[in-house]
Amino acid sequence: QQQVKQSPQSLIVQKGGISIINCAYENTAFDYFPWYQQFPGKGPALLIAIRPDVSEKKEGRFTISFNKSAKQFSLHIMDSQPGDSATYFCAASIENTGTASKLTFGTGTRLQVTL
Amino acid sequence: ETGVTQSPTHLIKTRGQQVTLRCSSQSGHNTVSWYQQALGQGPQFIFQYYREEENGRGNFPPRFSGLQFPNYSSELNVNALELDDSALYLCASSRPDGGYNEQFFGPGTRLTVL
Repeated sequence: QQQVKQSPQSLIVQKGGISIINCAYENTAFDYFPWYQQFPGKGPALLIAIRPDVSEKKEGRFTISFNKSAKQFSLHIMDSQPGDSATYFCAASIENTGTASKLTFGTGTRLQVTL
Repeated sequence: ETGVTQSPTHLIKTRGQQVTLRCSSQSGHNTVSWYQQALGQGPQFIFQYYREEENGRGNFPPRFSGLQFPNYSSELNVNALELDDSALYLCASSRPDGGYNEQFFGPGTRLTVL
């Protein structure tokens, strides 16, 4: 059962453009929503994360928008650069006090930023 | 680069064999989580170890087992390998009881089952 659905599967954006990746979740108990960036041959690296008490979080060129009622969240990459070309994963988990989250990942979006 | 290391980098096995993958957690981290990432898919949670005890398990059969050692490094063992076990195996370390819930992933071990 896929609890986190991610789209699109792949995305091509011109340098300087905005990249938008969307995710939807089913489990209303999820309360932690991170985005990971993965380059070929590397493990995923945390990019930015949000909790459902806010609707938006911005860190540099990366912004998460969160819609609790629709059970959707999205990643916006402003001024996309060729170095942003990677696979992006959304994830969700239930945070537990004192123990690590068990992350449920989306299927990934391969982003290519062209010159 | 995170401080999480995994060995070996690549591994080729045949069906029915057994394999052991290793993970060294980042300094100060006491929790290790293991994930399986099939080609073109997102990582799937296998299990987690906290202070040498299993602390949660995903939808994987018992032939997937693990250990965590006193230095918090960890092993993932898979018995009776099947073709579908071919994947990138990722470990991630964290220290949630220290207030650091972020999971730091290693580079993974690429397992191919022939």
